[in-house]
Amino acid sequence: KAGVTQTPRYLIKTRGQQVTLSCSPISGHRSVSWYQQTPGQGLQFLFEYFSETQRNKGNFPGRFSGRQFSNSRSEMNVSTLELGDSALYLCASSINPTDWAYEQYFGPGTRLTVT
Amino acid sequence: QKEVEQNSGPLSVPEGAIASLNCTYSDRGSQSFFWYRQYSGKSPELIMFIYSNGDKEDGRFTAQLNKASQYVSLLIRDSQPSDSATYLCAVGNQFYFGTGTSLTVIP
Repeated sequence: KAGVTQTPRYLIKTRGQQVTLSCSPISGHRSVSWYQQTPGQGLQFLFEYFSETQRNKGNFPGRFSGRQFSNSRSEMNVSTLELGDSALYLCASSINPTDWAYEQYFGPGTRLTVT
Repeated sequence: QKEVEQNSGPLSVPEGAIASLNCTYSDRGSQSFFWYRQYSGKSPELIMFIYSNGDKEDGRFTAQLNKASQYVSLLIRDSQPSDSATYLCAVGNQFYFGTGTSLTVIP
């Protein structure tokens, strides 16, 4: 079974631009979560999508948005990029997101550099 | 905002020793607890999860949960150099993560 895939793996953008990252979950997984990882802040939760609906959201500004398609693939968009947005963006998929079991499988990440 | 705290380390142990990693959390209502391992340059991978108070063993790994004291720990027995990584604690269904503890196992 294929794992979680993310594209692109590396991206360099300029301040003020926008970027779209893509995530394809493991087949059969309906939940996709997005995280930002930086050396200083660690792994921070952005949002989670389940069945095309944003179900949970972390504390990030509105410049960060996402969506999920009917095949569970998800995209994350960051508008008006800032230098501080440089980070590793990870997505994770889950088969059974309940309050008790939330085992997630992470993709390899997209390394975004904002110059 | 749920808070998850870990000692960032670095933690160094000799090969064959027991490594002990600790995590505390703020939300008393949390029901699920996870330990992830992240090698440098790689994405996190799940090692263990625990829901009930007490110990849960899986090979060389033991997770310990104490809900009254709001802490969860991970013990790695017979530590190997290949265990050198950052270990992340995660809590609840929204997966709030600690900043991770860097472990180095010295041959």
